[in-house]
This record gives sequence, structure tokens and C-alpha cells, in this order.
Amino acid sequence: AAGVIQSPRHLIKEKRETATLKCYPIPRHDTVYWYQQGPGQDPQFLISFYEKMQSDKGSIPDRFSAQQFSDYHSELNMSSLELGDSALYFCASSPPALNQETQYFGPGTRLLVL
Amino acid sequence: AQTVTQSQPEMSVQEAETVTLSCTYDTSESDYYLFWYKQPPSRQMILVIRQEAYKQQNATENRFSVNFQKAAKSFSLKISDSQLGDAAMYFCAYRSANRDDKIIFGKGTRLHILP
Repeated sequence: AAGVIQSPRHLIKEKRETATLKCYPIPRHDTVYWYQQGPGQDPQFLISFYEKMQSDKGSIPDRFSAQQFSDYHSELNMSSLELGDSALYFCASSPPALNQETQYFGPGTRLLVL
Repeated sequence: AQTVTQSQPEMSVQEAETVTLSCTYDTSESDYYLFWYKQPPSRQMILVIRQEAYKQQNATENRFSVNFQKAAKSFSLKISDSQLGDAAMYFCAYRSANRDDKIIFGKGTRLHILP
């Protein structure tokens, strides 16, 4: 079965640089969520989109922005990167009807800020 | 606000034995979902089991089962016949029944399997 695809899988950036993370949900899933997991931490919700509109916002810094496109893929844009942004970033998607409460996670993007 | 608490940062179990991971949560909502996610060293988040709050029957998935006590707001995971591949971080998680709501995770329990 198709899974959530995230790219890139690994990313190394310098402080103050910009990064873009991409997420391709499972086909026919209409909701996308972004989570940040710091070292030794539990995943923390950043932002979500339903039908291309932002539906909820968590502890996402103002330096970060995200959007969902017409093909339902989503991008998380991170600017003025800081050392503390080093983390594993998960994207998850959920279907429109049956089992919509279940979120299926991608493999994550490991971001290292030097 | 909803919270999820896992009071056991680490646990160990002998291979082939049974282990129970504890989880409690706090919410004022009556309808919600509870999950256990497994995160192995690869750090992939894998759904282990799901429980709907409106269902009294405890969910089971092969060797994994839960003990859901709604009044006590308790949601423990039992792993039977533990296998080496079960070694991982296990996160208990809560989600409101509202559409598109986020998942709230506990701090996790690291499970070691002893051969």
C-alpha cells in the first residue's frame, strides 16, 4: 500500500539559511499534519491543512510557513534557521471518511542545523 | 487542555514474556480516540493499535491489546509473547473526535527486550 512520502529524508543547513520540506500524502487523503520531534522528545504538532485550507495551528514559529497545494501535497518552509530547529519533522495524512481519525505518518525528514 | 502521561520512561521484558505499558490522560471531552504508536530505532512512527472512546470493548491487534478504562482515564498496552522486534519507544496518544484535530503524544516509554 502507498504510504506518506517525505522529501528530502535528510537535510543539513547552516544557521540563518532556509529549508523547504515536502510531503506527499497517501492518495485520496485530504488532510495533512506536520509535527516536529526534537532529540529525545515526543512529537509536537505544528500545523495542519484540510482541503488546502489551514485547519489548525500549534507551536509553529513565525519563521515557519506551510501550505497545501491543489494536488494535496504540502510544503513546510523554514526561514532564518536556528540550531534549535534541528529535529525530525513528520508529515502525516488522514483520509476523508472512514478512519479519518487515524493519522498515517511518513518516514520523516531529519533536519540538522549547523 | 488535554494531556497524556506515561509514567514509565523505560521498561524491560524477557523475550516471550508479557509486558504492560501504562498511560493515563486527562480530558473533559466525552468522545475521542486513543492510540499507541511504536517508534523503532529507524524513528518511523508506526500505529500499533487504536481505541474509540465510545466503544467499551478493548481493542486487540494480534499480540497487542489494550485495557481501556474510560472512567479512570487509563489506557494501557499489553504486549504478549514479546519479540526482539518489539524493542522501541512506545507513545501513547490522544486525539479529539473533532475533525482534523491534532494528536497529543505522551513522553514515551522505551521498551527493551531481553534475549
